[in-house]
Amino acid sequence: GAGVSQSPSNKVTEKGKDVELRCDPISGHTALYWYRQSLGQGLEFLIYFQGNSAPDKSGLPSDRFSAERTGGSVSTLTIQRTQQEDSAVYLCASSLAGTTGGYTFGSGTRLTVV
Amino acid sequence: DQQVKQNSPSLSVQEGRISILNCDYTNSMFDYFLWYKKYPAEGPTFLISISSIKDKNEDGRFTVFLNKSAKHLSLHIVPSQPGDSAVYFCAASGGTSGTYKYIFGTGTRLKVLA
Repeated sequence: GAGVSQSPSNKVTEKGKDVELRCDPISGHTALYWYRQSLGQGLEFLIYFQGNSAPDKSGLPSDRFSAERTGGSVSTLTIQRTQQEDSAVYLCASSLAGTTGGYTFGSGTRLTVV
Repeated sequence: DQQVKQNSPSLSVQEGRISILNCDYTNSMFDYFLWYKKYPAEGPTFLISISSIKDKNEDGRFTVFLNKSAKHLSLHIVPSQPGDSAVYFCAASGGTSGTYKYIFGTGTRLKVLA
């Protein structure tokens, strides 16, 4: 597609429920990233996928968070047993491998855990 | 531990004047820096970058300056326009963070007054 597409744009969920956030990167971009922005905070790195290499999961805040990227394209970020502190805007970005020109971000999914 | 700091949460500037947004970092291993601009309900968009081998990079109305000894970078917008009103994030990469994982600041909200 023309840009990075994320769905849903907004998600309200009850504490304890699982949620799945989807990211559709720009066609041909081999690198995919998940970041999140909590209220008043900067963007926090979560996970990075590059081609068929093992993902860099070093930013995932707990084992309730997981992500996968199927077929080197679409990615899903899953949060199990959501907590109120998981409320944030979750941003996906993609880029060509090795680029130094920055990523292209999607518009994000605003997650609210009530 | 905030490795990238934007100490001014907001800035107001008159249209036509210069906007100067500042960013400080603590990790001397960072070697690549980006600025992103973010409008409400949209993902951040890449604005301009600079590598540590340079001290200035210019793109139209936007210039980024890097002072490695002070671990400080700044973004100058001249002349400022109302459409520049947005949140600006600086980001850094390199060293143990790797070349792809960016550490973001908390952002500065710029308001350009007509």
